[in-house]
Amino acid sequence: GAGVSQTPSNKVTEKGKYVELRCDPISGHTALYWYRQSLGQGPEFLIYFQGTGAADDSGLPNDRFFAVRPEGSVSTLKIQRTERGDSAVYLCASSPSQDNEQFFGPGTRLTVL
Amino acid sequence: AQKITQTQPGMFVQEKEAVTLDCTYDTSDPSYGLFWYKQPSSGEMIFLIYQGSYDQQNATEGRYSLNFQKARKSANLVISASQLGDSAMYFCAMREQAGTALIFGKGTTLSVSS
Repeated sequence: GAGVSQTPSNKVTEKGKYVELRCDPISGHTALYWYRQSLGQGPEFLIYFQGTGAADDSGLPNDRFFAVRPEGSVSTLKIQRTERGDSAVYLCASSPSQDNEQFFGPGTRLTVL
Repeated sequence: AQKITQTQPGMFVQEKEAVTLDCTYDTSDPSYGLFWYKQPSSGEMIFLIYQGSYDQQNATEGRYSLNFQKARKSANLVISASQLGDSAMYFCAMREQAGTALIFGKGTTLSVSS
């Protein structure tokens, strides 16, 4: 079956611009996670959805970051007024429930010039 | 304090040999889970193996086994009979009792040579 997909695979933007990153989880997976991975580091948690609601957004670095999952499937991570420090690979993962292993997508590489 | 520590930035092994990748963790939760993921150069994270804190036996999945030493708070990954395709970054991660997110270490780069 299809795995987690993320689009775009690469995004280059200018400082101050707005970007949206999309995640399509595995069908039927109710839990969805966003992580950010900087060069040479492990992924860092951003936000977790159970169904349509954000159950834990404690990892979002500031109010420029926001994510939605309106129908409990596809999720969009939104970053306003991008900064160079936002450059990283943004990973999405899904799981059947919060107690299962997480299945990761290929990530979106964001570069802010 | 770091929750997950991987002290080996890089490891080198020859094909068909076994290799151990180290991971220590820090938590005060009695219930937690430990995971290992592989990240090839393509970038996606591939789940390898899971160990629950109450599991009595060490987890095994094919050529992967987890050497779980609870008192020492270590969860080392052992890869037997290394293959060229095992060359990748390996991450140890933990999910605590009350948490939902995975907490990752900084990773270890494994290079397998012929």
